[in-house]
Amino acid sequence: QSVLTQPPSVSGAPGQRVTISCTGSSSNIGAGYDVHWYQQLPGTAPKLLIYGNSNRPSGVPDRFSGSKSGTSASLAITGLQAEDEADYYCQSYDSSLVVFGGGTKLTVL
Amino acid sequence: EVQLVESGGGLVKPGGSLRLSCAASGFTFSSYSMNWVRQAPGKGLEWVSSISSSSSYIYYADSVKGRFTISRDNAKNSLYLQMNSLRAEDTAVYYCARLFKWYCSGGSCQYYFDYWGQGTLVTVSS
Repeated sequence: QSVLTQPPSVSGAPGQRVTISCTGSSSNIGAGYDVHWYQQLPGTAPKLLIYGNSNRPSGVPDRFSGSKSGTSASLAITGLQAEDEADYYCQSYDSSLVVFGGGTKLTVL
Repeated sequence: EVQLVESGGGLVKPGGSLRLSCAASGFTFSSYSMNWVRQAPGKGLEWVSSISSSSSYIYYADSVKGRFTISRDNAKNSLYLQMNSLRAEDTAVYYCARLFKWYCSGGSCQYYFDYWGQGTLVTVSS
């Protein structure tokens, strides 16, 4: 059972918009810790996708966006593409220790 | 170019030991906290351990506390994970990851993992 809760799977057709939620509590996201998102393509290491709730590293398309409110955060992907099919993980801190969400598998239909 | 290259994984029997290494290059290793994160087959990411830049602060997940020891050698640009009393549930790909300090405010700082290695597989089985 992960400290941060994500839906196990989401799906969408090419061109559509999908969102992935990350629900925490008052001891992690709600305590003011930032939320970060990682993308893991099949068979590869995780890669930083969004940092500090809503910031994109250089090279990440602006189709990816993040937000945070209260004890939750969300990752939105617009203009869905086949290469977006991957696992997505949110990450934050809880009592000064790193915590991850359980991960969400995105399927592009 | 930042590179993190793990090594030392393999097959080990329950109760056995293994030492993982992570060779870092392309950045000033001694300036960054480093972490180990693992991923069991078909499962999600699990944070394992963290060590500060000068080894002053070390943290472990409850699942490995007392069995695993994280260390680093800044002169060799290397991170290590000594794993003892290994169990079947320790079977996973182990990643080393650099922790980037984004900003500090009000006495606390915000960090995220900006670079990851390719991982090394540890299999605990008889």
